[in-house]
Amino acid sequence: SAVISQKPSRDICQRGTSLTIQCQVDSQVTMMFWYRQQPGQSLTLIATANQGSEATYESGFVIDKFPISRPNLTFSTLTVSNMSPEDSSIYLCSVEDPSGGPQETQYFGPGTRLLVL
Amino acid sequence: AQSVTQPDIHITVSEGASLELRCNYSYGATPYLFWYVQSPGQGLQLLLKYFSGDTLVQGIKGFEAEFKRSQSSFNLRKPSVHWSDAAEYFCAVGLSGTYKYIFGTGTRLKVLA
Repeated sequence: SAVISQKPSRDICQRGTSLTIQCQVDSQVTMMFWYRQQPGQSLTLIATANQGSEATYESGFVIDKFPISRPNLTFSTLTVSNMSPEDSSIYLCSVEDPSGGPQETQYFGPGTRLLVL
Repeated sequence: AQSVTQPDIHITVSEGASLELRCNYSYGATPYLFWYVQSPGQGLQLLLKYFSGDTLVQGIKGFEAEFKRSQSSFNLRKPSVHWSDAAEYFCAVGLSGTYKYIFGTGTRLKVLA
């Protein structure tokens, strides 16, 4: 498995501002993922972040709104830009199983709870 | 199209009672199947996973799940629920070769003392 931490754990922000969320994992992993969980909803994949390449965004998510950095194999950031109340969600990062293998298991961080006023 | 359905939005059981959470999926290839639990204010914790082999898989915290290909189901079970099991449970299908998951909408479990 993997131990994943996220900062901040929660924040309250004003509309029009931006927030950068950090994700740190205790093992080197190739693939990291960012998800959004809107209130009362399931998880939706925002993008996949591989070290050394541009993030790959899912339909409905764009880089200008959710820029992602992946400077090394243990760290990634997601920025929520020009926030509106509709961005109020839990943002979770996840990583592939660091032990490798074809099983596509993901391990999740504790999440960042964002409230936009 | 691929999808995961968790028919029960809320389930309430008494402590000590047995539990079964339903999950049905639609996926053309061999599925990789997962159950995650999200306790209040927490992230997702992996309970168990199925890739191949024995269709009855054991997980952490006394949970098990059975893969039934003919029914496209992967139901989660626990013989005796503890108050600490109160949480939201998500079933997910992993799309082979992509690392992408499709999550169900979740089932919120309430445990009565």
